Amino acid sequence: EDQVTQSPEALRLQEGESSSLNCSYTVSGLRGLFWYRQDPGKGPEFLFTLYSAGEEKEKERLKATLTKKESFLHITAPKPEDSATYLCAVQLRGEAAGNKLTFGGGTRVLVKP
Amino acid sequence: DGGITQSPKYLFRKEGQNVTLSCEQNLNHDAMYWYRQDPGQGLRLIYYSQIVNDFQKGDIAEGYSVSREKKESFPLTVTSAQKNPTAFYLCASGAMNTEAFFGQGTRLTVV
Repeated sequence: EDQVTQSPEALRLQEGESSSLNCSYTVSGLRGLFWYRQDPGKGPEFLFTLYSAGEEKEKERLKATLTKKESFLHITAPKPEDSATYLCAVQLRGEAAGNKLTFGGGTRVLVKP
Repeated sequence: DGGITQSPKYLFRKEGQNVTLSCEQNLNHDAMYWYRQDPGQGLRLIYYSQIVNDFQKGDIAEGYSVSREKKESFPLTVTSAQKNPTAFYLCASGAMNTEAFFGQGTRLTVV
């Protein structure tokens, strides 16, 4: 069965304290892996797409990487405005899989000043 | 403005009632999705559609129904058969084989 697992469930950081979030996946064939940011009471906001092992994407203090089994979202020198829930999702290859995204449970990040 | 519009933002349902959540997009996307999110949880797929007049069940379709009569619109009906409908409902759309973009959600509460 296809599975997406995120860890940790929650993360408390001091401002400036860098850390990494993990998204591990067990799927039959990966087409793409997506990272989203979600603020309370809002819809998820798209951050990155990764398609192949070794690929990296960066945006401000965020950097996403991908291996054959997992993805990491690195937060460098975080600020309080980086506090949010970060979600990862996978899209599978093959016509039977359709275009759907399967999400992990998310990591709630709190950055204290 | 291009985007995905969900309405209403808040919805209250009495026991035994059917309610319909609206989702409209003007991004010319072929694929549209409905997800459910419970407090502190990730997103679970209810239904998705890749083309007009066609849709597929997701992981938790029981008690829900959808239609896709127009490319721009993908309404979700929460029926009385859904025993625990209180949740945050998210609609998304995307081009084929790419990321999905989300609306701002509808919070449904059973009263």
